[in-house]
Amino acid sequence: NAGVTQTPKFQVLKTGQSMTLQCAQDMNHEYMSWYRQDPGMGLRLIHYSVGAGITDQGEVPNGYNVSRSTTEDFPLRLLSAAPSQTSVYFCASSSSLVGELFFGEGSRLTVL
Amino acid sequence: AQKITQTQPGMFVQEKEAVTLDCTYDTSDPSYGLFWYKQPSSGEMIFLIYQGSYDQQNATEGRYSLNFQKARKSANLVISASQLGDSAMYFCAMREGFQKLVFGTGTRLLVSP
Repeated sequence: NAGVTQTPKFQVLKTGQSMTLQCAQDMNHEYMSWYRQDPGMGLRLIHYSVGAGITDQGEVPNGYNVSRSTTEDFPLRLLSAAPSQTSVYFCASSSSLVGELFFGEGSRLTVL
Repeated sequence: AQKITQTQPGMFVQEKEAVTLDCTYDTSDPSYGLFWYKQPSSGEMIFLIYQGSYDQQNATEGRYSLNFQKARKSANLVISASQLGDSAMYFCAMREGFQKLVFGTGTRLLVSP
């Protein structure tokens, strides 16, 4: 039961470096999203997608890019990492517009 | 303004007792959904329970129930017969539009033997 798989689980970057957080789901879910979790705060929505080829911005999109070329994959790209992007990132998917989200295990990113 | 408010940063309960975790929300949309997620120390987010704004009855899932008071805009989570494994962070969340969740800041629950 793979569900939602995120890689890598841990990453350390230097300021200005770029990287991609990978997210894949094997449940054939149309809806996928990325959240970040910072200490003392709940999760905040970065970007989301309602299907292949369709993405939109969430609450905190600046500094991140996404694309959705297949139903299964929804990578999150950091173009030029900043210390403010140090966080735990969660990818989530859902089979419906209104149902529960299934989360990946999270990716802990540190930007020095 | 906070859309989801969890006023209890931490809660303590003894094993086998019931505990209520508070959540209030703010929305003008007549159609919304309320979720509770559990985050153990290992970090994953585990879905517990869901309540739709048009649902007439309070949602229940095993030992979890959601005390939904629409007029008060509250959606409290009740855990009956607490277990040591219930020790975790608990997040209340509200769906805005389609598949956009807004989360509260969480309540840390500690269950003691």
